[in-house]
Amino acid sequence: DIQMTQSPSTLSASVGDRVTITCRASQSISSWLAWYQQIPGKAPKLLIYKASTLKDGVPSRFSGSESGTEFTLTISSLQRDDFATYYCHQYTPYSPYSFGQGTKLEIK
Amino acid sequence: EVQLVESGGGLVQPGGSLRLSCAASGFTVSSNYMSWVRQAPGKGLEWVSVIYSAGSTYYADSVKGRFTVSRHNSNNTLYLQMNSLRTDDTALYYCATSRSLTYPPDYWGQGILVTVSS
Repeated sequence: DIQMTQSPSTLSASVGDRVTITCRASQSISSWLAWYQQIPGKAPKLLIYKASTLKDGVPSRFSGSESGTEFTLTISSLQRDDFATYYCHQYTPYSPYSFGQGTKLEIK
Repeated sequence: EVQLVESGGGLVQPGGSLRLSCAASGFTVSSNYMSWVRQAPGKGLEWVSVIYSAGSTYYADSVKGRFTVSRHNSNNTLYLQMNSLRTDDTALYYCATSRSLTYPPDYWGQGILVTVSS
């Protein structure tokens, strides 16, 4: 099965900062990669799919990119609402799916 | 409006069984791609299982052979039959749906808690 290695596990930043979270797949997943945001006590919220496509309604400060088996979520200018936990998720068709371990984004 | 409501959770002893249900509205379960995802207390998300519209199913290694995903078209409900439960199966279980094979889950239920303990 495909393993997703996400880093860092914790990230401290300030409002207005630019931050980057990375996920590496153990094998090729093409672009079958999504990013979710989870606020404590709530279900995950889809932000990005197909590695770099922003879901309708998600602020443009969120972006995704890929290079081979490495995927990146960037938040260009942190807002207070962005402090949450982020997960990458590979959903390669016709195979088991998996999540990264998560990145908790904290206020510095 | 798409809605997913999980039920069937609770306290069960190790080795026991439990069946979770996920009642769907606003779409047809058999036409979508339905996933189960769990989250142990204070831990990250763990993908559990998916059932495709054509009926194919996939499981995480941690539950393969013990859990079975199914759906009932007449009542538009997704199920997760969980057998041989272990203490590390304790988690909040979410059902989620995606509109196509190439789209990740974008609607989620509120989750249902399963506690495996003696």
